[in-house]
Amino acid sequence: KAGVTQTPRYLIKTRGQQVTLSCSPISGHRSVSWYQQTPGQGLQFLFEYFSETQRNKGNFPGRFSGRQFSNSRSEMNVSTLELGDSALYLCASSFQGTGNTGELFFGEGSRLTVL
Amino acid sequence: AQRVTQPEKLLSVFKGAPVELKCNYSYSGSPELFWYVQYSRQRLQLLLRHISRESIKGFTADLNKGETSFHLKKPFAQEEDSAMYYCALGHSGTYKYIFGTGTRLKVLA
Repeated sequence: KAGVTQTPRYLIKTRGQQVTLSCSPISGHRSVSWYQQTPGQGLQFLFEYFSETQRNKGNFPGRFSGRQFSNSRSEMNVSTLELGDSALYLCASSFQGTGNTGELFFGEGSRLTVL
Repeated sequence: AQRVTQPEKLLSVFKGAPVELKCNYSYSGSPELFWYVQYSRQRLQLLLRHISRESIKGFTADLNKGETSFHLKKPFAQEEDSAMYYCALGHSGTYKYIFGTGTRLKVLA
């Protein structure tokens, strides 16, 4: 099976711009989660989607949003970029059967630099 | 509030020495705990989970509810164990994982 694929792998933006990141989960996985990884904070949960519905959201401002499509692919968007948004954004997919906190399968991440 | 604490940013041990990576959690319900590992130039991946009670690559971790800990242990460290290790707390029904800030393990020859 192909792993979790994230695009783009690297991108540079300037303050005030917006960015869209994409994630294709492992085939058959219906849950997609997004995490922000920074050296000081580690991994911080952004949101989780299952069958096109957001089931949980982390403590991030409304500038961070996401969605999931019917084929389970997911996108996240960050608007009005700030310098502090520079980070590695990780996507993870999971099978997530009923009542199961499943293993997360991570992508390689999208490294965003905001200048 | 849910929280995971990994007190050590860096742990250096010599090859063949025992290793213990500490993880403490704060959670009022029934926790599900995991250790994830990231080797150099590789993706973050699951190492083990407490419900499996298994040993992976010689590592074990026991959930101690009284001390709210889930320390990762290995009796004899190998150089290939050098990596970043993250402890994670999950709860079925929230679909959200809380990760610690990670501990970098360096195994010296």
